[in-house]
Amino acid sequence: EVQLLESGGHLVQPGGSLRLSCAASGFTFSTYPMAWVRQAPGKGLEWVSTITGNGGVTNYGDSVKGRFTISRDNYRNTVFLQMSILRVDDTAMYYCARALLSGNTRFFDLWGQGTLVTVSS
Amino acid sequence: IQLTQSPSSLSASVGDRVSITCRASQDISSHLAWYQQKQGKAPRVLIYAASTLQSGVPSRFSGSGSGTDFTLTINSLQPEDFATYYCQQLNIYPLTFGGGTKVEI
Repeated sequence: EVQLLESGGHLVQPGGSLRLSCAASGFTFSTYPMAWVRQAPGKGLEWVSTITGNGGVTNYGDSVKGRFTISRDNYRNTVFLQMSILRVDDTAMYYCARALLSGNTRFFDLWGQGTLVTVSS
Repeated sequence: IQLTQSPSSLSASVGDRVSITCRASQDISSHLAWYQQKQGKAPRVLIYAASTLQSGVPSRFSGSGSGTDFTLTINSLQPEDFATYYCQQLNIYPLTFGGGTKVEI
C-alpha cells in the first residue's frame, strides 16, 4: 500500500529539540522530493520544508530557517525533520507529503496522517 | 508570494454551484494546486497545474486561471464536499498556501 506514516510528535518545552520521522512505503521513495507541511490548531496550512529525491537540495520557510533541518535516508525510505530552538508558535500538526513532478509543475499528491507537536512549558 | 483566497467562508446547499477565488501577489503562471481538507484529516489534492483534475477526483470539481487569478468551482455540491479548501503556489520558494475557504451547509 502506498502510504506515509509520521511519528515523533511530542510535548516539548520552549527552547527544546525534537526529531520527526516519516516512513514511506509502496513506492520508489528515492525518486520523489518530500516535504513537511504544518497546521497550527484551528489555523491554515503552512509549508515548512522540501528536500529533493537525492537529498542534495533543501528549502525552508522563513519561520523555521536556521532552526529546522530536513534530511532523508533513501535506504530506510524515511524523511526526517530535526527541529531545534522550538517556540510556542511551532505547536502544530506536522504532515509529511510527497511531491509529484508533472510536466513542468509539481504538487503534493500523497499525505501522511500527521504527528502532533506541542511546545509548552 | 502571498495568496489571498475569497471568501474565507461560505454557506451553500446541496446541489449549488460554488466558486472560490485565489489571487497571487505576483505572476505564478499555472503553478497552482487546490486541496480539500476535512475536519481532522490530512489535505488531499483536487486540482494541479491550475486546471488539471487529479486522478480519482470527481468531475464536478474544476479549476481555471493563470498568472495571478485562479478559481476553483464545484458544480452540484454534494454532502461530502463540505470541507475547507486551500490553494497553493508552487512556482517559487517559499511555497505558500492561501488562508483557506470553509464551505459550510
